Amino acid sequence: AQSVTQLGSHVSVSEGALVLLRCNYSSSVPPYLFWYVQYPNQGLQLLLKYTTGATLVKGINGFEAEFKKSETSFHLTKPSAHMSDAAEYFCAVSPTGGTSYGKLTFGQGTILTVHP
Amino acid sequence: DADVTQTPRNRITKTGKRIMLECSQTKGHDRMYWYRQDPGLGLRLIYYSFDVKDINKGEISDGYSVSRQAQAKFSLSLESAIPNQTALYFCATSDFRGTLGGELFFGEGSRLTVL
Repeated sequence: AQSVTQLGSHVSVSEGALVLLRCNYSSSVPPYLFWYVQYPNQGLQLLLKYTTGATLVKGINGFEAEFKKSETSFHLTKPSAHMSDAAEYFCAVSPTGGTSYGKLTFGQGTILTVHP
Repeated sequence: DADVTQTPRNRITKTGKRIMLECSQTKGHDRMYWYRQDPGLGLRLIYYSFDVKDINKGEISDGYSVSRQAQAKFSLSLESAIPNQTALYFCATSDFRGTLGGELFFGEGSRLTVL
């Protein structure tokens, strides 16, 4: 079975500072990996995903994540935080095949606060 | 209009009542899902359907049932609601034939409070 652990339920940064949200996964084979963002009173929207190819993935709003197989990690970063980045972020994994393909397992979420 | 529409958006009910949450989509996707979100627990899968004739239990299906009335419609029912079913519920869709990785597309959520 696959699982996801997000380290830190709350992360607080100053505007302009580096954003680093941590995600580690457990899977018998490398899965597909996703980061979603949830703004207040909204559904989740995809920030970025890793399926195959380049391990550094760029997403929307200046975010990027790097798949590190040896560390089973998929940490999300942004060089300079903006007030509009304040939201809850979810890491998720999916099998790459089989009957469970497309069935995502989510982490617990990390609430990002951005201070002026 | 939203591609994935959930109704109602907010509902307050009493213990023991039957509740139905409805989801409809205009994306033409074959796969639909119901997730539950609780603070600190992330999203947990309740039920999923890979096509109209295929219904599968997720990790927390007890106390819930679903119906896939058409490719575009997937409803979630609580036959006898209890307070620990108070949560934010999300419907999501994906297209098996689409982009690699099976990205999910979410509705805006249905907030259910059971008193």
